[in-house]
Amino acid sequence: DAGVTQSPTHLIKTRGQQVTLRCSPKSGHDTVSWYQQALGQGPQFIFQYYEEEERQRGNFPDRFSGHQFPNYSSELNVNALLLGDSALYLCASSLVGGNNEQFFGPGTRLTVL
Amino acid sequence: AQKVTQAQTEISVVEKEDVTLDCVYETRDTTYYLFWYKQPPSGELVFLIRRNSFDEQNEISGRYSWNFQKSTSSFNFTITASQVVDSAVYFCALSEAMTGANSKLTFGKGITLSVRP
Repeated sequence: DAGVTQSPTHLIKTRGQQVTLRCSPKSGHDTVSWYQQALGQGPQFIFQYYEEEERQRGNFPDRFSGHQFPNYSSELNVNALLLGDSALYLCASSLVGGNNEQFFGPGTRLTVL
Repeated sequence: AQKVTQAQTEISVVEKEDVTLDCVYETRDTTYYLFWYKQPPSGELVFLIRRNSFDEQNEISGRYSWNFQKSTSSFNFTITASQVVDSAVYFCALSEAMTGANSKLTFGKGITLSVRP
């Protein structure tokens, strides 16, 4: 039973560039949430996708956008990268009705230079 | 708005000592879930325990136990007979209990636990 997978593992970009991060949920899960974790901080909620629609959104600018595909996998896109976007981006999957137990992937470490 | 406070930032213990990690939360929701996650150096958040707001029974699972007190809005986590492999950052998290959907997790800032041999 594969867990949550994310790609790539590491990414280095320069300011102003755009980046796409990918996530495949745990088998049987239908909901994907994205979190940003800055160094030394707890994860911050970006947004959540269910049934291919954004259902909830945290306090992040429109530069952060996403998508969910029919197979439940998801992408996180960040445009016009800023130095402050450097962080660990975590994807979590869950099943609606499953007591909100969210299972996390290993994360993508994004460095913006 | 939801808020989770983990006042302890770093804890260092010697192997086999018991250690308690504190968590205080704020929410206006009448039903909610509380969680503890572990983040080892590899970075992946590992789910440890979940508690429903309407169930204040405290439990023990192996070396882990938790103390949920709604009256003081606290959800403390204890590791008994700590081991070096317990060294990690521990996060307390809170979410609203929603019907037909899953709610976002609100995390504390985490507690770095170091277990020395």
